[in-house]
Amino acid sequence: GQQLNQSPQSMFIQEGEDVSMNCTSSSIFNTWLWYKQEPGEGPVLLIALYKAGELTSNGRLTAQFGITRKDSFLNISASIPSDVGIYFCAGRATNRDDKIIFGKGTRLHILP
Amino acid sequence: EAGVAQSPRYKIIEKRQSVAFWCNPISGHATLYWYQQILGQGPKLLIQFQNNGVVDDSQLPKDRFSAERLKGVDSTLKIQPAKLEDSAVYLCASYIAGSSGDTQYFGPGTRLTVL
Repeated sequence: GQQLNQSPQSMFIQEGEDVSMNCTSSSIFNTWLWYKQEPGEGPVLLIALYKAGELTSNGRLTAQFGITRKDSFLNISASIPSDVGIYFCAGRATNRDDKIIFGKGTRLHILP
Repeated sequence: EAGVAQSPRYKIIEKRQSVAFWCNPISGHATLYWYQQILGQGPKLLIQFQNNGVVDDSQLPKDRFSAERLKGVDSTLKIQPAKLEDSAVYLCASYIAGSSGDTQYFGPGTRLTVL
């Protein structure tokens, strides 16, 4: 079945540093999504991407839909303590009614 | 606007017992999802409802899991009997057709521990 490989699994960075994480799939996706999950909460959508090559920003977050349609990345600039959490990539292979598949997440830790 | 409500927030049971989770989606949201999130993993879809009909239950272990959304509003997910490997967070999410993009609104989840 479809799988998403998300890396790195965890990151320890200094406050103020930039962060980059990525996601690759074994098959083509038509939609890429990036979520953030904090302890005791459900995931919250950060950015949605619908076209190959699309680059979208949400504040300090920027995500891109890879040209091959098999990968996506998320960048966070100038990290702050509230960026701590687990970031999940997710994808949808076909139409909007198809199920979303999630990666295993990147756990972001920020050192003071 | 109230978010997706789930209860209970935590549940501890012994294996072979039964358990039920409840979800109340955002008002007006026709699509409702149940996900299972095992520790260290991303959410995995168990079942998707459109109003009171099942759209996708291909990953639901039907020998022990069941779900219903009789009136097309709130939903219950049941496990009977529970196994140790069912320990996970069970997330409910809702979505309304026509909203911007793919925004699924997740509830806070129910953390199930099976001893």
